[in-house]
Amino acid sequence: AQSVTQPDIHITVSEGASLELRCNYSYGATPYLFWYVQSPGQGLQLLLKYFSGDTLVQGIKGFEAEFKRSQSSFNLRKPSVHWSDAAEYFCAVAFKAAGNKLTFGGGTRVLVKP
Amino acid sequence: DTEVTQTPKHLVMGMTNKKSLKCEQHMGHRAMYWYKQKAKKPPELMFVYSYEKLSINESVPSRFSPECPNSSLLNLHLHALQPEDSALYLCASSQGGQPGNTIYFGEGSWLTVV
Repeated sequence: AQSVTQPDIHITVSEGASLELRCNYSYGATPYLFWYVQSPGQGLQLLLKYFSGDTLVQGIKGFEAEFKRSQSSFNLRKPSVHWSDAAEYFCAVAFKAAGNKLTFGGGTRVLVKP
Repeated sequence: DTEVTQTPKHLVMGMTNKKSLKCEQHMGHRAMYWYKQKAKKPPELMFVYSYEKLSINESVPSRFSPECPNSSLLNLHLHALQPEDSALYLCASSQGGQPGNTIYFGEGSWLTVV
């Protein structure tokens, strides 16, 4: 069965430091890949997505993600974190065979220290 | 304008009540979704409507009844719910039901069943 894993439940990072969130998927073909962010008590906002082409994808709020087929990974990065980046981050995948059904990873909660 | 509007934002209902959650989008999207999100968990798909027809029902109990009156509106009718149904209910939409269509989420309706 298809699955998506975010190995880190919590990450604490100092403001101004870099951030990397990991995401791994399990599926035979290349899925459609997404990163969403959810601030406390809010809905989900799309940060970026990857379907094909250039494996380094730029998103909103200074985030980028890199697709690595050999590692079945789609890690999210930000060079310099701001206090407002404290939130829950979800990696999600959609597979051609499943229509537009999103499967989410368990999420990574990011805490930002002053 | 990528906006999905959900009402009410908060709802408290008794186990014998009948209530509805409402969702509206004016982006011309033809696919709409209901997701359920428990605290500290990722969203889980409940229903998908594609071109106003129910295309996916993720084995949701019949006490949840979706309705899509037109391409802009999506309702979730609630009846005889249980306390464990308390959660954040997220509505979402996408241009179509094809994999990879970006799914835009509303801010959610917080439901508490007492």
